[in-house]
Amino acid sequence: DAGVIQSPRHEVTEMGQEVTLRCKPISGHNSLFWYRQTMMRGLELLIYFNNNVPIDDSGMPEDRFSAKMPNASFSTLKIQPSEPRDSAVYFCASILSGRSDEQYFGPGTRLTVT
Amino acid sequence: SQQGEEDPQALSIQEGENATMNCSYKTSINNLQWYRQNSGRGLVHLILIRSNEREKHSGRLRVTLDTSKKSSSLLITASRAADTASYFCATNQGAQKLVFGQGTRLTINP
Repeated sequence: DAGVIQSPRHEVTEMGQEVTLRCKPISGHNSLFWYRQTMMRGLELLIYFNNNVPIDDSGMPEDRFSAKMPNASFSTLKIQPSEPRDSAVYFCASILSGRSDEQYFGPGTRLTVT
Repeated sequence: SQQGEEDPQALSIQEGENATMNCSYKTSINNLQWYRQNSGRGLVHLILIRSNEREKHSGRLRVTLDTSKKSSSLLITASRAADTASYFCATNQGAQKLVFGQGTRLTINP
């Protein structure tokens, strides 16, 4: 298995632009998590899905952030409009809920907003 | 907010020595997990210990859990240069959600 796949790996954009981050979970996994990692705040859970349904989005910082999971093999995290304080590494992780609590992380997307 | 708090924040030891990292948390948990993160990479799961377990081993890793003190420790024995990474504890309070600590940055000097 290829593991969790994220794209792009690096994104540099200007303030005000829309940013879309993509994630493909491990095949067969039914829960997907979006995290943000910064030096100041560490690793924060933004939102997670179970069977493509958003379960907990309490970590989403504000309305500029939105996430979707249209099917079991794809999810997006969108920031519109982006701001410099959104600069961070965004990780996606997946698990097979009910079988294991071990989360499998993707390589992350390093976002820089100038 | 981060529930898990790792101690120390940074640790530097010589290759071959043992490394011990500690984690404290605040609320009841279903399990506690340890993850490793190499620079510029995603997190990798190391070991999971359930709330009814007190100690668990996996290769050179030993994890303990004291639910009365709400604390856990990760011991890496006979450290190697490749163990250089950041180590995070994560608590599972139910419903699949993990809360990560700030991490311990471990450096193994050759």
